[in-house]
Amino acid sequence: NAGVTQTPKFRVLKTGQSMTLLCAQDMNHEYMYWYRQDPGMGLRLIHYSVGEGTTAKGEVPDGYNVSRLKKQNFLLGLESAAPSQTSVYFCASVLDREFHTEAFFGQGTRLTVV
Amino acid sequence: SQQGEEDPQALSIQEGENATMNCSYKTSINNLQWYRQNSGRGLVHLILIRSNEREKHSGRLRVTLDTSKKSSSLLITASRAADTASYFCALLTDSWGKLQFGAGTQVVVTP
Repeated sequence: NAGVTQTPKFRVLKTGQSMTLLCAQDMNHEYMYWYRQDPGMGLRLIHYSVGEGTTAKGEVPDGYNVSRLKKQNFLLGLESAAPSQTSVYFCASVLDREFHTEAFFGQGTRLTVV
Repeated sequence: SQQGEEDPQALSIQEGENATMNCSYKTSINNLQWYRQNSGRGLVHLILIRSNEREKHSGRLRVTLDTSKKSSSLLITASRAADTASYFCALLTDSWGKLQFGAGTQVVVTP
C-alpha cells in the first residue's frame, strides 16, 4: 500500500500563478484534509472533505479551493498564488469518525511563492 | 488558532534517558493524539488516547491524559538517536476528524 501520496513534492511559483496539488490515498478512507505548516507552528487546517463530492472550509481557507470528485483523490488549488502561501502543505486521510480517527499523512509539498 | 500547547518547545537529551513532553489545551476533546515528524517528512501517528482513558502504552511510549486539568504527557523511555524528531499533540474535538495541532516539541537525542 502506498498510503497517502502527494504530488508534486516541491514547487516554486511566481506571484499570481496558479497550481493544483494532488493528494491520493489507496486506503478507502472516507475523510481527507489539507493542512499547511509554517515555521514554528503546528499544522493548520485549510479545507477538508467528509466524503466524495463534499468539501468544507477549515481554519485558513482563504485563497484556496478544493475538489473531491473521486473518493481517493483530494485536490487543493491556488488560483492566484501569494507570497503568504509559501508553506509546506500536507494532505491527510482518516478512515472513519468513530473508532479509527488516527490520521495518515502524505510526505508534504514544499511550495515557495516568489 | 492552536488549541494544544506543547511544553517544552525544545528538549535535548542523551541516548538512554527518558524524554517527557506535555500538552495543555482549553477545549473539550473526543480524543488526543500524538504524532512524530522527522525533519522534512510527513507526520506519523504514534498513539491515541480517548477522553475516558487515563493512560496508554505503546512500546517505549507512555501517554497520560488528565481531562480535569486539560493536559496530556508523552513519555519516551530509553531514548535512541532515531527518536530525534518533532512531536505534536493533536486534539480531536468534533465528529469530522479535524485535528487541532500544537506547535510541537523538538527533541534531539545525542548518542
